[in-house]
Amino acid sequence: GAVVSQHPSRVICKSGTSVKIECRSLDFQATTMFWYRQFPKKSLMLMATSNEGSKATYEQGVEKDKFLINHASLTLSTLTVTSAHPEDSSFYICSARGVGEKLFFGSGTQLSVL
Amino acid sequence: QKEVEQNSGPLSVPEGAIASLNCTYSDRGSQSFFWYRQYSGKSPELIMFIYSNGDKEDGRFTAQLNKASQYVSLLIRDSQPSDSATYLCAVKGGTGFQKLVFGTGTRLLVSP
Repeated sequence: GAVVSQHPSRVICKSGTSVKIECRSLDFQATTMFWYRQFPKKSLMLMATSNEGSKATYEQGVEKDKFLINHASLTLSTLTVTSAHPEDSSFYICSARGVGEKLFFGSGTQLSVL
Repeated sequence: QKEVEQNSGPLSVPEGAIASLNCTYSDRGSQSFFWYRQYSGKSPELIMFIYSNGDKEDGRFTAQLNKASQYVSLLIRDSQPSDSATYLCAVKGGTGFQKLVFGTGTRLLVSP
């Protein structure tokens, strides 16, 4: 089945630093990837839709200058949290659309900003 | 009104029983409906998807869709302790073409 690899799985950083999260589709090409954020005991909230070769589409309320998304190839999308602050601490999950409607998720990245 | 609503639970059932998980959605134009299972600290994994009204069965799982009532459910037969997880309902289509909107999830606890 389709596999989406996400790294790192956990990162702890100091306030003000930037963190990059990678999302790779290992056995299929993904023209579209999605980035979600999930706070404890809350649902997944879509942050942005990443399209290969073009600018990402951000959901309302998500700062595009803070959450930089790059989808440089059909198998790789990256999310960079710039100047991270404690309120950015969350579980970040990427997903990629496989064959048909199926959406496959990465393993997630737990970000803790001190 | 939330776009996708689920009872947060927890829903507690004994091992071997049928667990019934429910979800309602607000966008009448929604086309695709998904059930994901999420263990604590892990990312969601797809269990089932359904597009048409009626029932769709896959092993111990049955998804039921009623577009007129804007209602989708997931039945888990012969529940096992390993089924204990949060079940997320997700809806796609309608006004949010590519976007998959998730409910807050229902926590299921299956006791031995």
